[in-house]
Amino acid sequence: DARVTQTPRDKVTEMGQEVTMRCQPILGHNTVFWYRQTMMQGLELLAYFRNRAPLDDSGMPKDRFSAEMPDATLATLKIQPSEPRDSAVYFCASGPGRPDTQYFGPGTRLTVL
Amino acid sequence: QKEVEQDPGPLSVPEGAIVSLNCTYSNSAFQYFMWYRQYSRKGPELLMYTYSSGNKEDGRFTAQVDKSSKYISLFIRDSQPSDSATYLCAMSAEGGTSYGKLTFGQGTILTVHP
Repeated sequence: DARVTQTPRDKVTEMGQEVTMRCQPILGHNTVFWYRQTMMQGLELLAYFRNRAPLDDSGMPKDRFSAEMPDATLATLKIQPSEPRDSAVYFCASGPGRPDTQYFGPGTRLTVL
Repeated sequence: QKEVEQDPGPLSVPEGAIVSLNCTYSNSAFQYFMWYRQYSRKGPELLMYTYSSGNKEDGRFTAQVDKSSKYISLFIRDSQPSDSATYLCAMSAEGGTSYGKLTFGQGTILTVHP
């Protein structure tokens, strides 16, 4: 049963620390998405990759956030330095490129104190 | 104003009731319309998918799209306690770099009580 995996599942850190979240997309999927979910804003797209190339990162605060795909089996989202307002659940999703087939991972729950 | 608007609820109904969930949108380029279901502390999972206008039925679930009004609906018949979750609408445009990129509604929290 292929699924998207994310690590860590929970992360508590102090303001100013670097946070790295990892995602393993489903093998064979060529699109990878990073989303952030909060009660106030709902689910927001942060970054979008196709064939490992970044297509859209307009939803991401550029000064502190960065997203990469070092290879087809790993996507990373980094926050440096982290701030309390970054506290949220971060989801990774992957798909074969069609809008109706995005599969979400279980999320990383980030708390910045 | 957000591109996709969805009433966050919460919505509480008795078991067996018909549930109606709705979203409105402003981007006329949207052609793909999805409904996702998200259980507590889980990732969203795709429930229904419709391309362009029309209706689609899958068991107790019916999705409707009215592009002329920029309005989509999800109906749940004979609702069950296991339907208790957050329901998110999502939309995507066709073609170009926007293809496959989803814009989500806020999500509606639904509780079905026995």
